[in-house]
Amino acid sequence: AQSVAQPEDQVNVAEGNPLTVKCTYSVSGNPYLFWYVQYPNRGLQFLLKYITGDNLVKGSYGFEAEFNKSQTSFHLKKPSALVSDSALYFCAVSPRTYKYIFGTGTRLKVLA
Amino acid sequence: EAQVTQNPRYLITVTGKKLTVTCSQNMNHEYMSWYRQDPGLGLRQIYYSMNVEVTDKGDVPEGYKVSRKEKRNFPLILESPSPNQTSLYFCASTPGQTLGTDTQYFGPGTRLTVL
Repeated sequence: AQSVAQPEDQVNVAEGNPLTVKCTYSVSGNPYLFWYVQYPNRGLQFLLKYITGDNLVKGSYGFEAEFNKSQTSFHLKKPSALVSDSALYFCAVSPRTYKYIFGTGTRLKVLA
Repeated sequence: EAQVTQNPRYLITVTGKKLTVTCSQNMNHEYMSWYRQDPGLGLRQIYYSMNVEVTDKGDVPEGYKVSRKEKRNFPLILESPSPNQTSLYFCASTPGQTLGTDTQYFGPGTRLTVL
């Protein structure tokens, strides 16, 4: 079965430190990869996506993600975390169909 | 303003009482989709629609119906709700012009409680 794994329910990081939110996938072929963020009582907002090309993708709010085909991973990163980055982050995969598969989400908590 | 709207935002109902959650987008998007969000399970796709009168099942379609009579609207229908359908529901849309590559635009969510 096709799936997306976000192995950490929560990630804590101090403000100013780099952050990584992990995502691995098990999807056949060459899927498209996405990261979305959800703030409290809000819908999901798009952060970035990998379609093709450079393995390092830059997105909104200073976030970036690195695609690693051999490890089937798409980890989200930011060089310097802000308290305002605290939110719920979802990795999603499109297996080049009309379906989208989401991970279970990782809660990021940035401590002042 | 480009947006996806959902109504109602909050709904408490009882088992078996039919309900409809509306979803509307003003971006002329072809593709629309419904998800439910549950703790520990993330978002799971219920149904999606590639265009008017074209719909298909997602991963968790049991107990739900949808229709797409107009491009802008994609209502989610629960004909006989049960407590296990208590969840947070999101509607989303994309232009739908390039299969699977589009960014999804999400509505604000509908929190449904079935007693």
